[in-house]
Formats: sequence, C-alpha cells, structure tokens
Amino acid sequence: EIVLTQSPGTLSLSPGERATLSCRASQSVSSSYLAWYQQKPGQAPRLLIYDASSRATGIPDRFSGSGSGTDFTLTISRLEPEDFAVYYCQQYGSSPQTFGQGTKLEIK
Amino acid sequence: QVQLQESGPGLVKSSETLSLTCTVSGASISSYYWNWIRQPPGKGLEWIGYIHFSGSTNYNPSLKSRVTLSIDTSKNQFSLKLSSVTAADTAVYYCSRGGSWSSQLNWFDPWGQGTLVTVSS
Repeated sequence: EIVLTQSPGTLSLSPGERATLSCRASQSVSSSYLAWYQQKPGQAPRLLIYDASSRATGIPDRFSGSGSGTDFTLTISRLEPEDFAVYYCQQYGSSPQTFGQGTKLEIK
Repeated sequence: QVQLQESGPGLVKSSETLSLTCTVSGASISSYYWNWIRQPPGKGLEWIGYIHFSGSTNYNPSLKSRVTLSIDTSKNQFSLKLSSVTAADTAVYYCSRGGSWSSQLNWFDPWGQGTLVTVSS
C-alpha cells in the first residue's frame, strides 16, 4: 500500500498570498496518477486536480498541480477567502487507492 | 449533471451489519466504476471499494473480509454492506463515481453529500 504524507499539517496564510502544499508518496506513483481535493466543513470533498496536473471542470486557474514519482505539489497562486479549507491528495496508481492525511489551510 | 445520494440508517448497533444505498441520477450506472469512501469524524479519508456494472468488485484489504458491494442497474443504485461493525466504523460514508469510465483505479468525481453512520454499543 502506498502511504501519502502531506506537509505541512497546517498552513497559515493571508488572502492574496501564494500557498504551496506538498504530498510525498512512500513509493513511486504510477503514471502520475495523483489527485487533489478540497474539503470544507460539513461538505464532501471536491476534486481540484487529477493526473497530477490536470484541472477538473470549473476549477479556477489559480489552482495548479505538479510533480511526478514520489513528490507532488498543489499550488494556489493567490489565495481567495473561499480557498481556506482542508486539502487531500490521493493516489490511484495502485490498489488500494489511498489518501494523504490532509493539510489545513487557515487564515493568518 | 450527475448526482449521487446516500441513504440508510444513521445508527447501527455494534456487531451488526451497516447497509447503505447510493442512488445515481443524471447518468446511467451501466458504465464507470462506483465507489464507497468513508471519513471518521475529524479524520481523513479511506477508500472502501468499487463496483462495476458488470459486477466486478475490488475492496480495500483492510476491510475486505467484512465488505460486500452490490449493484442494481434497474434502479440505478449501488449498495454497501459492512458486517460486524464496531465503534471504529463510525464515519461519514460517501459514494462517488470513478473519474474515468475505462479505468478501475480512479480519481473520484462527483461525490454524494455523505451520510453519518454511528455505531452504538
């Protein structure tokens, strides 16, 4: 099973700043099969990025994903108030599909 | 627009079987892979398993001995049964569609709103 470790656990930033979230895998993720989700309190996760760098339908271009192998990054170029939430990465390169433990992005 | 809605009891007694159904609207269930994912209160996400309309399934090894997924194409629904539940199975249970119709392993999109199931002693 591939273990995904997200860092930092909590990120405190202000609106307008740039956010960089990391997801590191315990072994190489096949074909960069990695996704990112945003989850707000009381809501289901929302797909942001799939295949490491492809934005899902309707996702603003301030969200971007990069990486390959074992190291992946989600970047939010300029934080909007609605971006403060918990973010999860997920790998689907091998079974079982697994998630990271999450990064909480909070307002500074 | 594809929508998913979970339904089932919100309270299950310890050692009994948890049963949930996901109703799909806006798309036929006779394609794609359909998944269950859960999230204990205040914790992260855990993939439970998927089912395909052909009946093929794949379960997380951590739950495999207790999980059964089934599908009813006539009702456009798929279901989860989790046996011998304990307090550790208390979670919000989500159903979701696999992102790519042709691939068994997938990102998840869209998701249902989720349903909280509490296991009581």
